[in-house]
Amino acid sequence: DTAVSQTPKYLVTQMGNDKSIKCEQNLGHDTMYWYKQDSKKFLKIMFSYNNKELIINETVPNRFSPKSPDKAHLNLHINSLELGDSAVYFCASSQEWGQGREYFGPGTRLTVT
Amino acid sequence: TQLLEQSPQFLSIQEGENLTVYCNSSSVFSSLQWYRQEPGEGPVLLVTVVTGGEVKKLKRLTFQFGDARKDSSLHITAAQTGDTGLYLCAGVSGNTPLVFGKGTRLSVIA
Repeated sequence: DTAVSQTPKYLVTQMGNDKSIKCEQNLGHDTMYWYKQDSKKFLKIMFSYNNKELIINETVPNRFSPKSPDKAHLNLHINSLELGDSAVYFCASSQEWGQGREYFGPGTRLTVT
Repeated sequence: TQLLEQSPQFLSIQEGENLTVYCNSSSVFSSLQWYRQEPGEGPVLLVTVVTGGEVKKLKRLTFQFGDARKDSSLHITAAQTGDTGLYLCAGVSGNTPLVFGKGTRLSVIA
């Protein structure tokens, strides 16, 4: 059984388009996250939701908007895509906020042309 | 800003050799995680250490948390090709998000 799943796995799109990435976790965790991994493999947190409430928004452009319809889902919508948005985006979840022990999804490789 | 420095950045060894990678910071962490990431996949949690001086073993992997909870090491005994991957350390401190190091890329050659 997949613990944290993301769709799509790959996303290729042109500059200016709007796209969404979906994430679901079946671990019963309270907290979910979005991370961005750049070409040098550095993982940086973008957003964190705890019990559907946004608790972390790390200097991410307004073009990025997370939405959590319920505790098991955290989606990421990106407006007006730019070349610099190309990266791998990871969804993760943890039982509680601030305890580490995060479980990651397989990632979505976004390529903006 | 909390930073985690990992060393070495790259490591290439022969199968059967032992190795140690390091994760250092000037900040104190309440817990520290080690992850392994393989190409095209997400990081997989290997271990969490929470107590200063704590040592945890996972088969051939030994993880140690520094006494002051500012650093950690990962020792692999008799490395195998399946150990190849990107090893990431990540720490949590207080009410802050997980902070990741930049990783050690390990290549084990048969």
